[in-house]
Amino acid sequence: DSGVTQTPKHLITATGQRVTLRCSPRSGDLSVYWYQQSLDQGLQFLIQYYNGEERAKGNILERFSAQQFPDLHSELNLSSLELGDSALYFCASSVGGSRELFFGEGSRLTVL
Amino acid sequence: AQSVTQLGSHVSVSEGALVLLRCNYSSSVPPYLFWYVQYPNQGLQLLLKYTSAATLVKGINGFEAEFKKSETSFHLTKPSAHMSDAAEYFCAVKGNQGGKLIFGQGTELSVKP
Repeated sequence: DSGVTQTPKHLITATGQRVTLRCSPRSGDLSVYWYQQSLDQGLQFLIQYYNGEERAKGNILERFSAQQFPDLHSELNLSSLELGDSALYFCASSVGGSRELFFGEGSRLTVL
Repeated sequence: AQSVTQLGSHVSVSEGALVLLRCNYSSSVPPYLFWYVQYPNQGLQLLLKYTSAATLVKGINGFEAEFKKSETSFHLTKPSAHMSDAAEYFCAVKGNQGGKLIFGQGTELSVKP
């Protein structure tokens, strides 16, 4: 158990819909990262938050957005969903610096 | 910009044989390097990390990796494969913005009885 909690574990929805994925980081970790894992793209970094502020942005689509709340949990919002958005979405947290990332078990999104 | 390349998307070994998974990195600064393992339907678990201390890094489950600056490599090895080692392995380098990790494409390890 990494200490990072993600909900829901599985989500099936239709094209055009909007979903919200939730992440609770390890106790004490201020940084939260979101990654997308798909067969063709591998593990792609989406976005990072540190103590409520956006710190770094990767290959995140404009239809996607995220935020980190005062209690440090984070949400990833995916809207106007397309078939190609079907993937495993991971949240990770870290103390920062050279320290490693701790990953949750992921939220598997299927868009039909 | 930092990047990693994993050579071989699939490696198959016999139980008891040496495991060697290859990773080469590109970094404009002294790198922090990591190996993660992903079992089916699970998240990524840290195997080991290099953070500029000893060049030979020992990790969990009998794995180790050697940082070779001259070869820009950080290959993962295990002397004797076990059936339970079958999984996907990812090499990663810490990016220069924030603390994100940049991952290679992964290597799927199969272990034959």
